[in-house]
Amino acid sequence: SQQGEEDPQALSIQEGENATMNCSYKTSINNLQWYRQNSGRGLVHLILIRSNEREKHSGRLRVTLDTSKKSSSLLITASRAADTASYFCATPPAGANSKLTFGKGITLSVRP
Amino acid sequence: NAGVMQNPRHLVRRRGQEARLRCSPMKGHSHVYWYRQLPEEGLKFMVYLQKENIIDESGMPKERFSAEFPKEGPSILRIQQVVRGDSAAYFCASSPTESQPQHFGDGTRLSIL
Repeated sequence: SQQGEEDPQALSIQEGENATMNCSYKTSINNLQWYRQNSGRGLVHLILIRSNEREKHSGRLRVTLDTSKKSSSLLITASRAADTASYFCATPPAGANSKLTFGKGITLSVRP
Repeated sequence: NAGVMQNPRHLVRRRGQEARLRCSPMKGHSHVYWYRQLPEEGLKFMVYLQKENIIDESGMPKERFSAEFPKEGPSILRIQQVVRGDSAAYFCASSPTESQPQHFGDGTRLSIL
């Protein structure tokens, strides 16, 4: 079974709107990471939040982590057409920082 | 400051042939990871190597698959006697240390005829 599972599976919004994506995981983690993948390309690391952090910002990205609920959310504010991509959360299991486990991803479409 | 380079970008093989996928990590990165992605799926971890050593190969099939990261040259993922089910995108990532974020290449899309 997946360690990280994102929802919704697909999200379509208008340019300028905010996009919120969620991720749940099952086991203890040291950190949780969000990646973006444009069609036909590799993954691009967006942001890492450690298990002792609750919220983190990077530009138009805001990530929260609730370890009691084993969940995280990624908020993209003021979305742009260029944000259209698949988004994945990834968790390295505690004690194995190198072995990322990815969910199936969220397909975000931002309409111009 | 080149990123992770993978080649070839696309590889077509017939059943029973061998496939060799190459990955050159970012400069200064000695940790390399291989992942496989099936259509509409997330990436699945295969193997983690650090210069000349396999650290974790728990995600790699026991037969037909092997990986190496020699002292000189790129990391190689080798698939012998390929089957249709091996068709997938194979991604390589690298990092300077085990605990830092991984940087991904654009992948090799392997198609088996």
